[in-house]
Amino acid sequence: QVQLVQSGAEVKKPGASVKVSCKASGYTFTSYYMHWVRQAPGQGLEWMGIINPSGGSTSYAQKFQGRVTMTRDTSTSTVYMELSSLRSEDTAVYYCATTSTPGYSSSSGWFDPWGQGTLVTVSS
Amino acid sequence: AIRMTQSPSSLSASTGDRVTITCRASQGISSYLAWYQQKPGKAPKLLIYAASTLQSGVPSRFSGSGSGTDFTLTISCLQSEDFATYYCQQYYSYPSVAFGQGTKVEIK
Repeated sequence: QVQLVQSGAEVKKPGASVKVSCKASGYTFTSYYMHWVRQAPGQGLEWMGIINPSGGSTSYAQKFQGRVTMTRDTSTSTVYMELSSLRSEDTAVYYCATTSTPGYSSSSGWFDPWGQGTLVTVSS
Repeated sequence: AIRMTQSPSSLSASTGDRVTITCRASQGISSYLAWYQQKPGKAPKLLIYAASTLQSGVPSRFSGSGSGTDFTLTISCLQSEDFATYYCQQYYSYPSVAFGQGTKVEIK
């Protein structure tokens, strides 16, 4: 079955960077765009960006431009999200999620499935 | 950017109640709307997409309606496992998507 498995929890100091991985299985990795969404403690869901696992092209939310980098490794069916210059407000659970339709399809932009989430804590 | 506003932010209900959650978009989004259920410590789970299409495996007591700017999620007969937080998501501006702030359904 389609599954996204993320890396474990991280604790970082302010100013550091964190890199979270998301390993996909059960489907053709390069056919489905991958998104990253984060959720601060007790807060709602916030979209961060998207990566095309086939060509590696990306698009980021304006809020994260210059601080986030999304990459992929097709040999291991894994996507990565790196966030730099961390501050306390970046403490959150970070999720990867894919769409149910292959390729770039604005008419089917809902997310299913999701990874299990990775807690990133930023604290001095 | 399209903003999504849910109401209420929280509600208390009893098992067996009919519950309705609304979601309003700041501009028209056709039927490009999804609903998710999230339980504590878990990832969101897709319930409905295209405003009214039930995801496979989701109980039929869940239903969605609306188009344009106003949408609703209805749980026809609340069950104990339905106590959770619900989010709407617009994908009209894909790939940039946006979520509502969430509605927490609590036990009365």
